[in-house]
Amino acid sequence: EIVLTQSPATLSLSPGERATLSCRASQSISSYLGWYQQKPGQAPRLLIYDASNRATGIPARFSGSGSGTDFTLTISSLEPEDFAVYYCQQRSNWPPTFGQGTKLEIK
Amino acid sequence: QVQLQESGPGLVKPSETLSLTCAVSGDSISHYYWSWVRQSAGTGLQWIGRIYTSSSTTYNPPLKSRVTMSVDTSRNQFSLRLSSVTAADTAVYYCARDRIPRFDDTSVYQPGDWFFDLWGRGTLVTVSS
Repeated sequence: EIVLTQSPATLSLSPGERATLSCRASQSISSYLGWYQQKPGQAPRLLIYDASNRATGIPARFSGSGSGTDFTLTISSLEPEDFAVYYCQQRSNWPPTFGQGTKLEIK
Repeated sequence: QVQLQESGPGLVKPSETLSLTCAVSGDSISHYYWSWVRQSAGTGLQWIGRIYTSSSTTYNPPLKSRVTMSVDTSRNQFSLRLSSVTAADTAVYYCARDRIPRFDDTSVYQPGDWFFDLWGRGTLVTVSS
């Protein structure tokens, strides 16, 4: 089973700033990585699939990059509604697995 | 607009069987692959299993011996049964849809991509006596 390690655990930033979240896989997963956003009391929401493709309806300020074992989710300019927990998920090796999450909080 | 809605008991006794149903509205259940994912403070997000027909299932190995999933196409819903539950099974259980439909616009089979673009609101199941 592939283990995904996200860093940092918590990221404190202000609206308008740039956010960079990391996800590292325990072995190469090519580009088969996705990112989700989860707000309190809500289900996860798919943001990015296959490392760099935005899901339907996702704003352009969200972008993903990386391949192999190291991946990044970037939010170019934080909006108030972007403060949430973010998870990465791999589909390269079965079963699909998730990272432990990065909490993006308002500074 | 496609929606998913989980339902089932919120409290299950240890050693008993957890049973949940996910009702799909706005589209035919036969068009997609469907999964169950759970979330707890202890284990985070964990994929449980996937189904598209009652004979086409795949389960996460740590749970495989206790999980059964089924589909009821007449009711447009699918179900999860998890047997011999313990406190470790206490979690919010979500049903979720695979991003890619089973067949494309020209009716060519697609295997799905294991990313989940539609989720139910989730239901908390507590295992306690």
